[in-house]
Amino acid sequence: SQQGEEDPQALSIQEGENATMNCSYKTSINNLQWYRQNSGRGLVHLILIRSNEREKHSGRLRVTLDTSKKSSSLLITASRAADTASYFCATGGSRLTFGEGTQLTVNP
Amino acid sequence: GAVVSQHPSWVICKSGTSVKIECRSLDFQATTMFWYRQFPKQSLMLMATSNEGSKATYEQGVEKDKFLINHASLTLSTLTVTSAHPEDSSFYICSARVPPQETQYFGPGTRLLVL
Repeated sequence: SQQGEEDPQALSIQEGENATMNCSYKTSINNLQWYRQNSGRGLVHLILIRSNEREKHSGRLRVTLDTSKKSSSLLITASRAADTASYFCATGGSRLTFGEGTQLTVNP
Repeated sequence: GAVVSQHPSWVICKSGTSVKIECRSLDFQATTMFWYRQFPKQSLMLMATSNEGSKATYEQGVEKDKFLINHASLTLSTLTVTSAHPEDSSFYICSARVPPQETQYFGPGTRLLVL
């Protein structure tokens, strides 16, 4: 069953703005991953954060993890039109359980 | 990075026919591959874990006789949708892990439309 819930379900911003997406989960985890999916395509792995980490950066991406609240956030800074995609969090190690996803639209 | 391909990228078939989808790891050996299904505007749902040389492990609610999985080599897993019906129309995506990494590499997906 899906244990991840993400909000917002949809987010529309202007190029250059920051985008923040949130993910909540229900069970204990060893790590949490974020993936991006362009329309009608496969998923691309963005970043993995371990349960003993609180924050991780990769380029314009910043991920935080709060295991006490069972939540994570993905921040994309200085967004670009090419960032338009659906973003999913996933937990579970090898048998991944995905959140519902956030559809991000970055308007030029 | 690791590359996973899928074939075909899309397929249209008549109700009652069987459809085979291939998932290949192009530059690495994958002892384990995963099959997901995604309905429009929804998230991915894990269907089964494909293990090289052994039987696949299916998630609860997934009919193993309907979704046949064969992982015959370290670079190829196939998913056969048997006697497909319109409700099987979906986007099927495979992935593979490269141990000991925990990230999964996804194929581009196969869109199935059953008429």
